[in-house]
Amino acid sequence: DVKVTQSSRYLVKRTGEKVFLECVQDMDHENMFWYRQDPGLGLRLIYFSYDVKMKEKGDIPEGYSVSREKKERFSLILESASTNQTSMYLCASSSPHRGISETQYFGPGTRLLVL
Amino acid sequence: DQQVKQNSPSLSVQEGRISILNCDYTNSMFDYFLWYKKYPAEGPTFLISISSIKDKNEDGRFTVFLNKSAKHLSLHIVPSQPGDSAVYFCATRGGGKLIFGQGTELSVKP
Repeated sequence: DVKVTQSSRYLVKRTGEKVFLECVQDMDHENMFWYRQDPGLGLRLIYFSYDVKMKEKGDIPEGYSVSREKKERFSLILESASTNQTSMYLCASSSPHRGISETQYFGPGTRLLVL
Repeated sequence: DQQVKQNSPSLSVQEGRISILNCDYTNSMFDYFLWYKKYPAEGPTFLISISSIKDKNEDGRFTVFLNKSAKHLSLHIVPSQPGDSAVYFCATRGGGKLIFGQGTELSVKP
């Protein structure tokens, strides 16, 4: 059974703080993703990674960075948190197989409140 | 520009009746579609998918229909149960990633 865990379920931070969101998957998946979910906007891709030390910008990368030092771990960093980054953050992983569309497996999410 | 659209933010259905959730897409090159279900305080979970070579895929109470000429897909849940109350996202594959719609919140009332 695929397991994707996120370091915190709820976080409260102050404007300007540096915030780290950690994600770990235990299925040796190559691909990992960070999304944010906001009402009426669905799931928006922030960053993704196809391999260790690789990263690609998603649709809304501004204000975020990522780190993938190990295959199982993908970190999302808010360099200087702002109130408009208050959101639900979701991590996902998948394993691509040629000819088969990969299903993404999601973690439980981190609800971040920036004051 | 929203490539995958779910125009109904919410849907309310009586238990035992059919739930129909709709999704439109813009690019006829999209060839694979998925539905995810999300409960509050949980991550989305994969529900059902369909390839563009089919027009229907069924899994128990869940059926997805694909109308390629209209660039439209729908998820049917029959019969609906209170445990189906959740947010449903349609998604398609593009550029090595998934593109999600805005989601439809389904409420199934006893």
